[in-house]
Amino acid sequence: NAGVTQTPKFRVLKTGQSMTLLCAQDMNHEYMYWYRQDPGMGLRLIHYSVGEGTTAKGEVPDGYNVSRLKKQNFLLGLESAAPSQTSVYFCASSYVSPGLNTGELFFGEGSRLTVL
Amino acid sequence: QQPVQSPQAVILREGEDAVINCSSSKALYSVHWYRQKHGEAPVFLMILLKGGEQKGHDKISASFNEKKQQSSLYLTASQLSYSGTYFCGTVTQGGSEKLVFGKGMKLTVNP
Repeated sequence: NAGVTQTPKFRVLKTGQSMTLLCAQDMNHEYMYWYRQDPGMGLRLIHYSVGEGTTAKGEVPDGYNVSRLKKQNFLLGLESAAPSQTSVYFCASSYVSPGLNTGELFFGEGSRLTVL
Repeated sequence: QQPVQSPQAVILREGEDAVINCSSSKALYSVHWYRQKHGEAPVFLMILLKGGEQKGHDKISASFNEKKQQSSLYLTASQLSYSGTYFCGTVTQGGSEKLVFGKGMKLTVNP
């Protein structure tokens, strides 16, 4: 049982390049999230999805796009990467809403992105 | 809006206690607590729902004061394995799909 898998684990980009981070979960979870983690800033929510075909903006969505075409996958795209997007990106999923007693989030191992 | 955690960092000796606070300016629906070890993913500790409940397992417990929009995580008789960064995450009333995390509290437990 793989849980939440993120690919790639590491990536170096040049300013202006584009890339896509893939998050895949095999737990049949409805909710999926993308966070970025920067020193001293904690985990900041970029975008999230409450089910297949849905997406919504989080706290820091600018410069990112997402898609949830299949229930098990949540893609995070950077159309024109900027040095400010250098960060560690975490994907997470939950079976039910995090407002419920069983709404714990399961995290992937993270993807370290460097934009030069 | 991120919840505010305090303190930002604590250094303890094994066996000492610690309290981590989390507060929000918005009415809360639930509070989550996670621990992250260096270089690893955050790991779930517990969820507290509105209603002022308390929870705990082993020597880690938490409380949630719905009226004050605050939660506290209590670590008693700390162990070396408790070292890491602790994050609280909050779900606000009216935003039940979003879990927004604070900046974290770094705990170091020394022998």
